[in-house]
Amino acid sequence: QSALTQPASVSGSPGQSITISCSGTNNDVGGYNLVSWYQQNPGKAPKLMIYEGTKRPSGVSSRFSGSKSGNTASLTISGLQAEDEADYYCCSFAGSDTHVVFGGGTKLTVL
Amino acid sequence: EVQLLESGGGLVQPGGSLRLSCAASGFTFRSHAMNWVRQAPGKGLEWVSGISGSGVSTFYSDSVEGRFTISRDKSKNTLYLLMISLTAEDTAVYYCAKDLWDNIPSYAMDVWGQGTTVTVSS
Repeated sequence: QSALTQPASVSGSPGQSITISCSGTNNDVGGYNLVSWYQQNPGKAPKLMIYEGTKRPSGVSSRFSGSKSGNTASLTISGLQAEDEADYYCCSFAGSDTHVVFGGGTKLTVL
Repeated sequence: EVQLLESGGGLVQPGGSLRLSCAASGFTFRSHAMNWVRQAPGKGLEWVSGISGSGVSTFYSDSVEGRFTISRDKSKNTLYLLMISLTAEDTAVYYCAKDLWDNIPSYAMDVWGQGTTVTVSS
């Protein structure tokens, strides 16, 4: 069982927007502004999409945005494209003992 | 070009040991914290271990604490993961990953290697 809870799957049609949630606790998501999101295509290494909850690395499309409310972080993808179909993982700093935790991952299907 | 290249994976018997390496290039290796993240077949990502840029501070997940040792060699720009007492549950693709910021850890990993496969089986 993963430390952070994500829906197993989400889907949307091209052009629509979807949101993936990442639920944690005061000891991780809610306690720090250190949530990151990763996109992973089959057989490939993960790619950083969002860091510090809301910031996009250089080169990542502005269609990807992050937010947080309490103990839940969210990744929103607007203007869905076929190329967005992938697995998405949230990750958070969880203090000096646990250090880093991932969510279980969400499979995004573009219909 | 910033690059990470893992090696050292393979087939090992239960109870055996293995050392993974991750050769870094294209950035100031000594300034960045580094991590190992693994992914069991068909499963999600699991953070395994991290090390500060200086190498002084090391961190481990509960599942590997006491069995795995992370280290780094600044002269060789290489990250290591020594794994002992391996079990079938350690079977996974192991990725090394670079922390985004230099000097101050961001706990976000912006560069990943291609991964090296560890299979624990008799």
